[in-house]
Amino acid sequence: KQEVTQIPAALSVPEGENLVLNCSFTDSAIYNLQWFRQDPGKGLTSLLLIQSSQREQTSGRLNASLDKSSGRSTLYIAASQPGDSATYLCAVKTYKYIFGTGTRLKVLA
Amino acid sequence: GAVVSQHPSWVICKSGTSVKIECRSLDFQATTMFWYRQFPKQSLMLMATSNEGSKATYEQGVEKDKFLINHASLTLSTLTVTSAHPEDSSFYICSARGPGQGYSNQPQHFGDGTRLSIL
Repeated sequence: KQEVTQIPAALSVPEGENLVLNCSFTDSAIYNLQWFRQDPGKGLTSLLLIQSSQREQTSGRLNASLDKSSGRSTLYIAASQPGDSATYLCAVKTYKYIFGTGTRLKVLA
Repeated sequence: GAVVSQHPSWVICKSGTSVKIECRSLDFQATTMFWYRQFPKQSLMLMATSNEGSKATYEQGVEKDKFLINHASLTLSTLTVTSAHPEDSSFYICSARGPGQGYSNQPQHFGDGTRLSIL
């Protein structure tokens, strides 16, 4: 059974810091891995999608890596801003998406 | 980009009533739609998968008679919570996938969610 874990569960950092969010999954037989952002009471915003054959994807200040063999992905956020405050979810795709429990990020001004 | 619209965004109703949530794909034909439930500070859990014109496939532990899913057209799926009780209060999110967007390499498009509160 696929399980997805995110560490840390919560993170509070001062503005400007670079930070890393971690996602681990137990079964490496995935099609892709996707990182999402969720603001309180809102739906999901897709940030980055990494295919199983890819190692990383970049979009602006965000960089996501995937090591399928070890069951790990990281989301790197450069020069964090207060507007980055949200919950970040990773999800692995088999025949369905299985979501991690998320990391609640707070960036302090 | 692809847009998925969910309505209503928030609903409060009395225990025992039925509530219908709509999920529409606005600029593509959604052959497959997914319904998720999210409890506070928890992750999203898939409830069911529906393909246009056929019966939904429910995940283990989800009562199909309580959570009725209809996917009668390529742009609309509905989730009806029947005889709702306070424990059904949750955040419900739909997601849609178009034709040709197979399992492997396409992102799913998510609605903004519906917050359901049962008094």
